[in-house]
Amino acid sequence: SQTIHQWPATLVQPVGSPLSLECTVEGTSNPNLYWYRQAAGRGLQLLFYSVGIGQISSEVPQNLSASRPQDRQFILSSKKLLLSDSGFYLCAWNGEGLDRTAHNYGYTFGSGTRLTVV
Amino acid sequence: RKEVEQDPGPFNVPEGATVAFNCTYSNSASQSFFWYRQDCRKEPKLLMSVYSSGNEDGRFTAQLNRASQYISLLIRDSKLSDSATYLCVVNMRSSGTYKYIFGTGTRLKVLA
Repeated sequence: SQTIHQWPATLVQPVGSPLSLECTVEGTSNPNLYWYRQAAGRGLQLLFYSVGIGQISSEVPQNLSASRPQDRQFILSSKKLLLSDSGFYLCAWNGEGLDRTAHNYGYTFGSGTRLTVV
Repeated sequence: RKEVEQDPGPFNVPEGATVAFNCTYSNSASQSFFWYRQDCRKEPKLLMSVYSSGNEDGRFTAQLNRASQYISLLIRDSKLSDSATYLCVVNMRSSGTYKYIFGTGTRLKVLA
């Protein structure tokens, strides 16, 4: 079965420090991968998505970047964090790469990283 | 206009009550529809997909009205454990991939 791992679960970082969040998926190949952010009391905002290695699409201009160095690895980064980067970061996948009907079945989310920038 | 809109609530209902949430979407080309449940400080989890003919899963019933561009979720015989935020999700194809657009959620609190 497919599983998605995300770490760390909680992170407190000072303003101006770098960030690296990692997400890995097991049990599938060529998944579509997504990074979302949920600010306190807000909805989920799509940040980046990737349909394959080295392919990144950005949804909103921001202080963050994403990379996909391997098929089942998706990384969210920042060189210098801002206070406004605080939030709940969620990685998600669906199996569209192999299963063209997977989009009918929704996302599976990782357990999330709660980032507080101080 | 937001792509997906929900009443934020909160809906406070007694145990055993029936409660319904609605969600409207703006893109008529939307193809798939879902309800997710999110507990406090946790990741969203898929509750159910929403099919054109309507579908039921135990106490939960989902309906889709494509003409009016809204989906609904009905919860019967509410339990304390149903307390959560319910997210409406619409999936549409854009630039070669599917994008899931989330509503901001409707908060439900079931009271003893």
